[in-house]
Parts: sequence; C-alpha cells; structure tokens
Amino acid sequence: GAGVSQSPRYKVAKRGQDVALRCDPISGHVSLFWYQQALGQGPEFLTYFQNEAQLDKSGLPSDRFFAERPEGSVSTLKIQRTQQEDSAVYLCASSLARVPSNQPQHFGDGTRLSIL
Amino acid sequence: GQQVMQIPQYQHVQEGEDFTTYCNSSTTLSNIQWYKQRPGGHPVFLIQLVKSGEVKKQKRLTFQFGEAKKNSSLHITATQTTDVGTYFCAGPLGSARQLTFGSGTQLTVLP
Repeated sequence: GAGVSQSPRYKVAKRGQDVALRCDPISGHVSLFWYQQALGQGPEFLTYFQNEAQLDKSGLPSDRFFAERPEGSVSTLKIQRTQQEDSAVYLCASSLARVPSNQPQHFGDGTRLSIL
Repeated sequence: GQQVMQIPQYQHVQEGEDFTTYCNSSTTLSNIQWYKQRPGGHPVFLIQLVKSGEVKKQKRLTFQFGEAKKNSSLHITATQTTDVGTYFCAGPLGSARQLTFGSGTQLTVLP
C-alpha cells in the first residue's frame, strides 16, 4: 500500500482480555517500530524490528506486552490480560533504512485502545 | 534519565502572528527530526537537521539546530489555520536506533 496501515482503528476491551493490534508497513521497509501515545504526550518507544528480528524491546512496559514480525513484513502487538493503564493510542512506524535513527519514520493512523 | 524536552506545551495565536517552539535534549544528538500531528491524526515527518548550526526553511517554517546539537527550534511566520496541530521534535539518544520524542507543542490558531 501507499502508507503504513494499522487495524483496527479502535478497540474496546474489558479489563483482563487479550488484544492484538496489527501493522502493515510500507512495502520494502526494513525497520518497524511500535510506539504508545498517551493523550497530550509524544509517542513513547515500545519495540523495534529490523526485518523479522526484534532488536530492541526495552520499551515494553511489562511482560504482558509481546510483539512479533515473523516474515519481516506485517507485525502484531499483543497485550495480554489488559489493564486500564494500557488505554492509549498505539502507533506503528516504518522506515526504509537499516539504521533508522537518522531517517524519517512513516506512521500509521494508530489503534486507539480503550480498556473498560 | 536522558530525555527530550519541549516548550511551550500549548500556544494560542491569532492568525497571522508568528509562533516558535523550542526543543532541548539532555545529550548531544546526531540529528533531530520534526513531526506534525493534526488533531486525530498521526505524526507526519516535516524535516531532519543533521549539522551543527544548520538552518532549513520550508515556506513559512524555519528550523534550526543548535551549535552544540542539543537544542532546536521551529518558527512559523504568519500562522494560518492550516498550521493547527501538535509539533514534536525527536532524536536518537545515545546509540539508540529509535527516536525519543518531546512532549510536543500544541498550536491553536484563532481566525
């Protein structure tokens, strides 16, 4: 596709349920990031993939959060046993570069997650 | 810890007035990027600055990177209602591959 695609756009779940958020990056983009954005704040880094390899997961807030990118393209962020503090917008971004820190990142529209 | 700070958090201006947002890093950055996020939208890349003291212009927007590569600014001349949104600076701290974003400046332009 022309841009980064995320689904669903909105997700409402009850506390304790598991959720899965999908990201389809721009075709050919090597680097993929997941960010969490709270209301009124900047995106905060969760995890980074280079192709299928998860090179950095230091931003994942707990072991309830898990991300994968098995074929080096589509990625899924899974949150188990959701808590109210997990409510946020989850943004996916991709970059063409293998060293993405000095290249623009292209963001998807995000998934707005609300935990009741 | 290492962080990227931005001020002001909010700015309301009358259409036609100028606007500036400032970004400061606790450490030297290899580059700094600016993004704009419209209400309800996602961050969109505006520009990247790499060199010490670099100045870049995009129409009414002027971006500067400080001499010490620890601070940056975005200046908008004669704001328009289309400039409404939140402006974020972001840079890689240390050897990180990911960007650390500032908390953003939310710009409101009153017609």
